[in-house]
Amino acid sequence: DAKTTQPTSMDCAEGRAANLPCNHSTISGNEYVYWYRQIHSQGPQYIIHGLKNNETNEMASLIITEDRKSSTLILPHATLRDTAVYYCIVRVNNAGNMLTFGGGTRLMVKP
Amino acid sequence: GAGVSQSPSNKVTEKGKDVELRCDPISGHTALYWYRQSLGQGLEFLIYFQGNSAPDKSGLPSDRFSAERTGGSVSTLTIQRTQQEDSAVYLCASSRTLGEQYFGPGTRLTVT
Repeated sequence: DAKTTQPTSMDCAEGRAANLPCNHSTISGNEYVYWYRQIHSQGPQYIIHGLKNNETNEMASLIITEDRKSSTLILPHATLRDTAVYYCIVRVNNAGNMLTFGGGTRLMVKP
Repeated sequence: GAGVSQSPSNKVTEKGKDVELRCDPISGHTALYWYRQSLGQGLEFLIYFQGNSAPDKSGLPSDRFSAERTGGSVSTLTIQRTQQEDSAVYLCASSRTLGEQYFGPGTRLTVT
């Protein structure tokens, strides 16, 4: 799987949009961009994934650049409960491909 | 619908004892994964089951670790003769044949 680079930490004011960047300049054509998060003392939680088009679901939006070398996860209205470590992963979309998390971005949402 | 469940949520055991950890995947998910996560560390893959195929055991750290999946659903991870370095959170995840993995809450194992 391609390597990803994320900032170590970010702060966001409650109610504001949180924009979490991820660089994946060596991504292959068949690799998807996945985002997971892990709230303290909980299991990882799937957020969203995409191949090349922008994606939106009830949790977040994923913006992927045209060259697919970077992406941004957007939490449109961050709440205190969104405080977590966010992991950007690039991987082929098939079962048997286990997840490996890098350092991630520790997002702190502040009141 | 129901997510992945794991039991027990916490387990404290003495060094040298055997432990069994249970995972109930999401109904209909054919793939099941076991990972572990030590304090402040990333995920460490342990084993993967897909349908009736032979499991991928490439991540098991030693022959003290084993896992089975009965009837293509519930899975049990067994650690024999536990050691202190086995202390970690053991996470189970399931997925469809293609798609994202959904994780359970984990079992926190402490070996004293």
